[in-house]
Amino acid sequence: QSALTQPASVSGSPGQSITISCTGTSSDVGGYNYVSWYQQHPGKAPKLMIYEVSDRPSGVSNRFSGSKSGNTASLTISGLQAEDEADYYCSSYTTSSTVVFGGGTKLTVL
Amino acid sequence: QVQLVESGGGLVKSGGSLRLSCAASGFIFSDSYMSWIRQAPGKGLEWVSYISSTGITIYYADSVKGRFTISRDNAKNSLYLQMNSLRAEDTAVYYCARARVARTTVGRCGMDVWGQGTTVTVSS
Repeated sequence: QSALTQPASVSGSPGQSITISCTGTSSDVGGYNYVSWYQQHPGKAPKLMIYEVSDRPSGVSNRFSGSKSGNTASLTISGLQAEDEADYYCSSYTTSSTVVFGGGTKLTVL
Repeated sequence: QVQLVESGGGLVKSGGSLRLSCAASGFIFSDSYMSWIRQAPGKGLEWVSYISSTGITIYYADSVKGRFTISRDNAKNSLYLQMNSLRAEDTAVYYCARARVARTTVGRCGMDVWGQGTTVTVSS
């Protein structure tokens, strides 16, 4: 159950787009289309932003999008806004029927 | 409104035990797979365990297997985590969360409702 690999930090200016990667193996990310992304502001509970690789829950801005290629999933945020500054975590279902999270990525809006 | 409220956290000595509870409201609890996730101070999220809507199917992370037990009482709309043989590395905020889709495992559909978390501190 090794954690998925995410960059520790990414940054971008307001209005720009950024992409956060999430790399796993064929036993998790690559094996299923069951990747989710969560946003967490300091001191708050995580919020589901993307499920099943690319679907958005109701109420989540369409500036957030997800994709996957092989063992790597990606979260793209377009039109960056100050309120997007947060930690982002990917997660995946695994062949062991368990769940694994990524190490998290701190997004800084410059 | 749809809500999860955790309780039971606190300070415990290494080797001790603690039981966390998660009270659910605003949705049909008995239809939902539920999960516990933890976050050590300054660290990332770590999945701990999940339980099916009926309580029959249960999975644990390797880091807690044999020490933690997840359970639920659908009549009381409550989820529990019994934590035994606690270690310093179990110190974390513990969140309970609901699977987004009824009768579907959390790993497949994501977790759309989270509690505010309860803090567990294990002193060595």
